[in-house]
Amino acid sequence: NAGVTQTPKFRVLKTGQSMTLLCAQDMNHEYMYWYRQDPGMGLRLIHYSVGEGTTAKGEVPDGYNVSRLKKQNFLLGLESAAPSQTSVYFCASTIRWGYQETQYFGPGTRLLVL
Amino acid sequence: DQQVKQNSPSLSVQEGRISILNCDYTNSMFDYFLWYKKYPAEGPTFLISISSIKDKNEDGRFTVFLNKSAKHLSLHIVPSQPGDSAVYFCAASEGDDKIIFGKGTRLHILP
Repeated sequence: NAGVTQTPKFRVLKTGQSMTLLCAQDMNHEYMYWYRQDPGMGLRLIHYSVGEGTTAKGEVPDGYNVSRLKKQNFLLGLESAAPSQTSVYFCASTIRWGYQETQYFGPGTRLLVL
Repeated sequence: DQQVKQNSPSLSVQEGRISILNCDYTNSMFDYFLWYKKYPAEGPTFLISISSIKDKNEDGRFTVFLNKSAKHLSLHIVPSQPGDSAVYFCAASEGDDKIIFGKGTRLHILP
């Protein structure tokens, strides 16, 4: 099991450029999440998905789009990157059974927008 | 409006002593709570969780306590070890909805 993987690990963009971050999990989890982490802000939810073909907005969705065409993949897109989107992005997937819940995170993608 | 609050940005504890990290929440509908540990340049890793129907869950050196009436939970680490130095995030979820994180508490274990 690779767990949760993220591609790329690091990227530099110019303002206005677009890119897609890929998150993949091989644990057959239904729930997947995209977060961003900024200094002093903790983890903030961008978008999430409760299953293949479904997506929903989180706390800070503006400027981002997502797609969950396949259960194992959750894509985060930036259509027109802005310096405010400089951050570290974490993807996670969750398994829930009964009263138990465990969330697995990817290693992160560091994005710098100039 | 923060639904999950970690009011201490940092905490220093002597090695071997007990570390207590606190978390408060405002949404009484939260039914599941989780603690994560994060080292620099790595993704958060799950530590321990607790359902709202319980008031305590223990896993090795880690124990989470939940006080629903006070809307408060705490993570106890005993004994504290150098490798416990990290940022700890408290998180909460409601049903099938999203998980909401606190801003984190940086724990320093002193030799």
